[in-house]
Amino acid sequence: TQLLEQSPQFLSIQEGENLTVYCNSSSVFSSLQWYRQEPGEGPVLLVTVVTGGEVKKLKRLTFQFGDARKDSSLHITAAQPGDTGLYLCAALSRGSQGNLIFGKGTKLSVKP
Amino acid sequence: DVKVTQSSRYLVKRTGEKVFLECVQDMDHENMFWYRQDPGLGLRLIYFSYDVKMKEKGDIPEGYSVSREKKERFSLILESASTNQTSMYLCASYEVGARGNTEAFFGQGTRLTVV
Repeated sequence: TQLLEQSPQFLSIQEGENLTVYCNSSSVFSSLQWYRQEPGEGPVLLVTVVTGGEVKKLKRLTFQFGDARKDSSLHITAAQPGDTGLYLCAALSRGSQGNLIFGKGTKLSVKP
Repeated sequence: DVKVTQSSRYLVKRTGEKVFLECVQDMDHENMFWYRQDPGLGLRLIYFSYDVKMKEKGDIPEGYSVSREKKERFSLILESASTNQTSMYLCASYEVGARGNTEAFFGQGTRLTVV
């Protein structure tokens, strides 16, 4: 069974702090995605990383795909209250149908 | 700019009722999915469909069925609602990209309460 494990499960920080969340697996994936979900809404794609070692930046968010394509991290610089939400990593499972599997998420709260 | 629409944001149903959750997408995707999301358990796949009139069980199909009569519409049916089906239900559609990159589009979710 392919699993994506996210850590930490919960994170509560003050505005302006930096943070990193992790997504780990024992499986190799062809790509990995990060989604953000705000309360009462569906998840929305932030980024897809495809190449081992790849780093992508989205304003204050930096995403990295591990060299072995088994893990990924999301780093937020100078967090703001608008960053509050549930961050989910996802990857296509092996097999002919290629279902997306999701980690359980990191619930981030940024206090002003 | 709405891409995936779920018919209700909030529903309250009684135990034993038959419940229909509707999902429509306007991106001509072949793949559509139903998940439920519960605290501490994450997103769990209930059923998915890769084509019209085609369905496959996900990880937790018990107590649910689905219908896909048209490409754009995927319905989730709770045959006899029970309190343990109280949850947030999310519909998604996506196509798998050439390099395996995929963007899943989700509906806004339906928060179902069974009393």
